[in-house]
Amino acid sequence: GENVEQHPSTLSVQEGDSAVIKCTYSDSASNYFPWYKQELGKRPQLIIDIRSNVGEKKDQRIAVTLNKTAKHFSLHITETQPEDSAVYFCAASPYYQFYFGTGTSLTVIP
Amino acid sequence: ETGVTQSPTHLIKTRGQQVTLRCSSQSGHNTVSWYQQALGQGPQFIFQYYREEENGRGNFPPRFSGLQFPNYSSELNVNALELDDSALYLCASTNRSSAARYEQYFGPGTRLTVT
Repeated sequence: GENVEQHPSTLSVQEGDSAVIKCTYSDSASNYFPWYKQELGKRPQLIIDIRSNVGEKKDQRIAVTLNKTAKHFSLHITETQPEDSAVYFCAASPYYQFYFGTGTSLTVIP
Repeated sequence: ETGVTQSPTHLIKTRGQQVTLRCSSQSGHNTVSWYQQALGQGPQFIFQYYREEENGRGNFPPRFSGLQFPNYSSELNVNALELDDSALYLCASTNRSSAARYEQYFGPGTRLTVT
């Protein structure tokens, strides 16, 4: 099956700085790559996604890039704010099934 | 918040017992996936149901089984509970027949504790 690796496991940034989280996947059949934000005690929430026919997608302060050849994709958050503090999960989806990374705990220091 | 609901919210069981968890998918969604999320880990794919048929399974033993009903709600059954089954169980739904077929929305989860 698909194997997704995510780095770093923890990340601390100063408010206003940028944060980057990186993921790799193994299954070339994966064609959809969502990112989820999970706050303590809450369900994962979809924040941005990208399909395999697109190299980059941006939504306000959040952007995702995908390199199909290298099988890696990244989440970029600019101008971080304290409310961005949470655990972020990447996922890769072959055949509508979702395989998640192990998560990155992001702390934004005011 | 999404329209995906799960019950119960919390559950405590004893090793060796059986448990059934329930999920109501978002209106119009015909696909339900189940995940196990251990503390501090990412969700692990258990299996997926599409139009009442199992459509893919992760690396979980047969004692994890499920059902999907005609209204697309779903159940996760776990037999012979083990201590390691203690986790948050999440379901997520999507509509594979729509343009947004890849977008998956999670329920709030059921916290299962096995003692």
